[in-house]
Amino acid sequence: DQQVKQNSPSLSVQEGRISILNCDYTNSMFDYFLWYKKYPAEGPTFLISISSIKDKNEDGRFTVFLNKSAKHLSLHIVPSQPGDSAVYFCAKETSGSRLTFGEGTQLTVNP
Amino acid sequence: NAGVTQTPKFRILKIGQSMTLQCTQDMNHNYMYWYRQDPGMGLKLIYYSVGAGITDKGEVPNGYNVSRSTTEDFPLRLELAAPSQTSVYFCAAGGRTYEQYFGPGTRLTVT
Repeated sequence: DQQVKQNSPSLSVQEGRISILNCDYTNSMFDYFLWYKKYPAEGPTFLISISSIKDKNEDGRFTVFLNKSAKHLSLHIVPSQPGDSAVYFCAKETSGSRLTFGEGTQLTVNP
Repeated sequence: NAGVTQTPKFRILKIGQSMTLQCTQDMNHNYMYWYRQDPGMGLKLIYYSVGAGITDKGEVPNGYNVSRSTTEDFPLRLELAAPSQTSVYFCAAGGRTYEQYFGPGTRLTVT
């Protein structure tokens, strides 16, 4: 049961433009979603989260949007910077403080 | 404040050997987790713990064992290593929120 799916394995954007990373989910019994960022040879680091009582959460250049009717989550990065090049994972709460992760999207920001 | 530390960083095992992956956190978080990440895949939960003395299986527990005798330590034991256990292993710790803090990972190859 694939609860979280990231359909795009990779995304390439120009520096200064917007990056949009997408995530679809099933089983909406639980209501907390997160985005993590991972550089090569490092562990994932928490980026931003959203509760299902909201449809948007913003933190600096990063904004997460939640469309509950479509069961869709997206992360917007504006403006994109070369240092944002990393793998981005979306994750959703399952139960007992557990998370289910998507497969990840490799973002490359070109100078 | 080191956060979550993992040892070793790299290890090569022969089929049938055993080893313990160490994980220590200094954040005093109750929840700890072990994940594996295979190429092109998301993070799969192996085992988790909600506190000292309490552990439970995740999504892919076969071939692994854990213990949690202290809040700080959560070792992962591989018995009878198999090539299918070649992966990158991440330990994480978390508190009452759903944010999890990851260690740098252990890259394991079984040949």
